[in-house]
This record gives sequence, C-alpha cells and structure tokens, in this order.
Amino acid sequence: AQKVTQAQTEISVVEKEDVTLDCVYETRDTTYYLFWYKQPPSGELVFLIRRNSFDEQNEISGRYSWNFQKSTSSFNFTITASQVVDSAVYFCALHNYGQNFVFGPGTRLSVLP
Amino acid sequence: EAGVAQSPRYKIIEKRQSVAFWCNPISGHATLYWYQQILGQGPKLLIQFQNNGVVDDSQLPKDRFSAERLKGVDSTLKIQPAKLEDSAVYLCASSFGGTLNTGELFFGEGSRLTVL
Repeated sequence: AQKVTQAQTEISVVEKEDVTLDCVYETRDTTYYLFWYKQPPSGELVFLIRRNSFDEQNEISGRYSWNFQKSTSSFNFTITASQVVDSAVYFCALHNYGQNFVFGPGTRLSVLP
Repeated sequence: EAGVAQSPRYKIIEKRQSVAFWCNPISGHATLYWYQQILGQGPKLLIQFQNNGVVDDSQLPKDRFSAERLKGVDSTLKIQPAKLEDSAVYLCASSFGGTLNTGELFFGEGSRLTVL
C-alpha cells in the first residue's frame, strides 16, 4: 500500500529563518516518483519538484533544497531564509509507476514578518 | 500557455440539491483528474480520464457523484443529491500522459463547495 505522512501539521517561523518540512513515504515498489507541491491561499497546487526513486542526489533550487533518503523513506524539503511569500500549505506526493498519485495531509507554513 | 480552468470558484447549496463543476484542461493534455480536498487534508482522487475513457473511478461515490468527458477535452463533475460531507474543494488536474506518465500534474484553482 502507498502512504505519505507529513507529521508536521503547522509550522510558524519568522522571516529569514530556515525551515524543514518532513515527508515520509511507504511503498513496496522499487520504481516510484516523489513530488512536492505548494498550495498558496489562491488554492492552486503548484509543482515544485519531482524526484525518481533511482536518483538520491539532493537538489537545490534557489532558496529551496530537497533531501531524499531511501534508507529512511524520507523526502524532506528545506526553505532557506524564508520569506512571507513562502506562506502556504505544502504537500508531498508519491506516484508509483502505473498507479495514481497519493498525497500527504500537508503542512501549513506561516512565515511571519 | 493557458492553465487548467475551473468554474465556478465558489458554490453554496443546501443538502439534497445538485451542483455541477466544469474543468477545461491544458490544451493537448490527454489525462484529466478530479480530486476532492476536504479542509485540512490532502487531495483525494475521485476519477481519472484518459481522453474520453474512465481509467479509475474506484473512489467515486457513484450513488451521488458522476463525471463525464464526452469529447476528450473538458469535463463536468456532478453531485446529486449533495450531502453535508461533500463540502470540500474540488480540484481538476491534467497531465500530458496517463498513469504511465511520470511527469507532474497541473492543477486548476479549484471549486469550493459549501453544503448547508
């Protein structure tokens, strides 16, 4: 069975702080894809990153970075020097090849000025 | 490039009434999804279309929910009769490929339904 857990329901930080959003997944498949989406107040889920199960290399994109560790089934997301515009709900999702996407419950991030 | 279009953005109805939501995916995207997102939860798949055929509707409450994508482009999701627990945001998403597609989903802004 596929499952995504995001244990942090809500996080509040002050602007310029670093923050890490945790994601733990469960799957029996060896081929799968992990995603992070951002959902701002407007409601539209915005794609941030995709990582396949064979690529454990960490990725950095501007202030965003992702740490993928198959040994712990985790795909954590770090925002460096957070900004107010980063305030949103962030979803981690798992997509097994040939099956549908499974989303985690989301983490609501509030960045205070 | 135009994104996924959805309407209406907001709808308030009383229980036992009916409601319909419309979605127009990104041009050229063969696969269309309807998700239900209850407040505080992640999106849950209701139905997936590949062109005008249904790929997966295993989580669609078929006694009250129906969806169609007659010409393989835009789609309509209907709820009749609505229940209080149907209050949620209904998200439409599209992708270039189907379940074998490994790319991302593109989402619309959603249709927020409140059932009183």
